[in-house]
Amino acid sequence: DAKTTQPNSMESNEEEPVHLPCNHSTISGTDYIHWYRQLPSQGPEYVIHGLTSNVNNRMASLAIAEDRKSSTLILHRATLRDAAVYYCILSEGGATNKLIFGTGTLLAVQP
Amino acid sequence: DTGVSQNPRHKITKRGQNVTFRCDPISEHNRLYWYRQTLGQGPEFLTYFQNEAQLEKSRLLSDRFSAERPKGSFSTLEIQRTEQGDSAMYLCASSPASGRGYETQYFGPGTRLLVL
Repeated sequence: DAKTTQPNSMESNEEEPVHLPCNHSTISGTDYIHWYRQLPSQGPEYVIHGLTSNVNNRMASLAIAEDRKSSTLILHRATLRDAAVYYCILSEGGATNKLIFGTGTLLAVQP
Repeated sequence: DTGVSQNPRHKITKRGQNVTFRCDPISEHNRLYWYRQTLGQGPEFLTYFQNEAQLEKSRLLSDRFSAERPKGSFSTLEIQRTEQGDSAMYLCASSPASGRGYETQYFGPGTRLLVL
């Protein structure tokens, strides 16, 4: 069962920042927080992941709450190519490290 | 292109037929995963290999499904006696087993199966 809760959909305007929230109140101490996104007719694409501290990479930033029960994916300037389903996932950890996807947030970007 | 590749990209079959899909992971990755995704849902984990060993199978993987990774490189997923409920996108992903990037899975484009 998915351990994360995300809004079903969000809208943004092009070139504006987007904050995608995720709640994961049952997170355990060893669970990593992953974000993947899936463009139409493609496989999921890794965006970012973190454990406790905020993370930045060329695609996005990940802000993790101090209690780790929620996190926010930040796209600093949305483009039309960022329109996708964004999945917030807690890794199962352990030997398998399988990903348990929820239904994600469908992000629409308006020009 | 050194990403994960999957073949075929699309497959249409009649109910009761057998189908086989192939996944070629990133060459230095020794972990390989199969997922299934139905319309409007996120991908669901099916099975996982480390090298040639199949270490975990989901209860979603009925006895009509079999996956192999004979030499620890490419993998095949076979579905016998297909049913209409098997219609889905079948996704393959790979990752290193340890070291830098081991938490990240790299997905292929998927094989879309339609069972008539």
